[in-house]
Amino acid sequence: DIVMTQSPDSLAVSLGERATINCKSSQTVLYSPNNKNCLAWYQQKPGQPPKLLFYWASSRESGVPDRFSGSGSGTDFTLTISTLQAEDVAVYYCQQYYSMPWTFGQGTKVEIK
Amino acid sequence: EVQLVESGGGLVQPGGSLRLSCAASGFIFNDYWMHWVRQVPGKGLVWVSRIDTDGSGTTYADSVKGRFTVSRDNAKNTLYLQMNSLRAEDTALYYCARDRSPTMGSMDVWGRGTTVTVSS
Repeated sequence: DIVMTQSPDSLAVSLGERATINCKSSQTVLYSPNNKNCLAWYQQKPGQPPKLLFYWASSRESGVPDRFSGSGSGTDFTLTISTLQAEDVAVYYCQQYYSMPWTFGQGTKVEIK
Repeated sequence: EVQLVESGGGLVQPGGSLRLSCAASGFIFNDYWMHWVRQVPGKGLVWVSRIDTDGSGTTYADSVKGRFTVSRDNAKNTLYLQMNSLRAEDTALYYCARDRSPTMGSMDVWGRGTTVTVSS
């Protein structure tokens, strides 16, 4: 199974500042036939189901604010919130869909400093 | 409105069975793969199972293989998860989710979940 490791486990960022979450896969998730990375990012707020933010590592889901960006390739990926807003407080998960079983990172909790 | 609504959770003794349902609306159900994902409160997300559009292809996490069966009724726009030989470690909130076609793996629509508690 592909192991997804996120860092840090939690971070506290001041409103308006940048938040960066890293995700590392134990093997590449780059799908050669289409040269796309099989990596998704989700946001989960307390008491809510996860919400898809990005797929193919950097394709933003409709309705996701552009202060969110996804980047990376191969085994190393980053989710960036350029200017943190109060409503961004949540746990963020990466997930690989390169090979079954699909696996998630352990989550990164983002809080306001 | 695109929506998924899970039901069927509850309290069951170890070794018992439950069948979860997920009613889909607002989209063409039989165009999409579907997934089950579970989450222990306060913990992370764990993918459980997926089924392709016509039900001919299914995949399971090792932890549930041989005990859980995913199925769908496209005429009823409903996804199911038959859970047998339940264990305490199966206790979780179970979500159904729609695959974000054509990624075949990311999930763009989620229900609110149904809680399964396995305890004597």
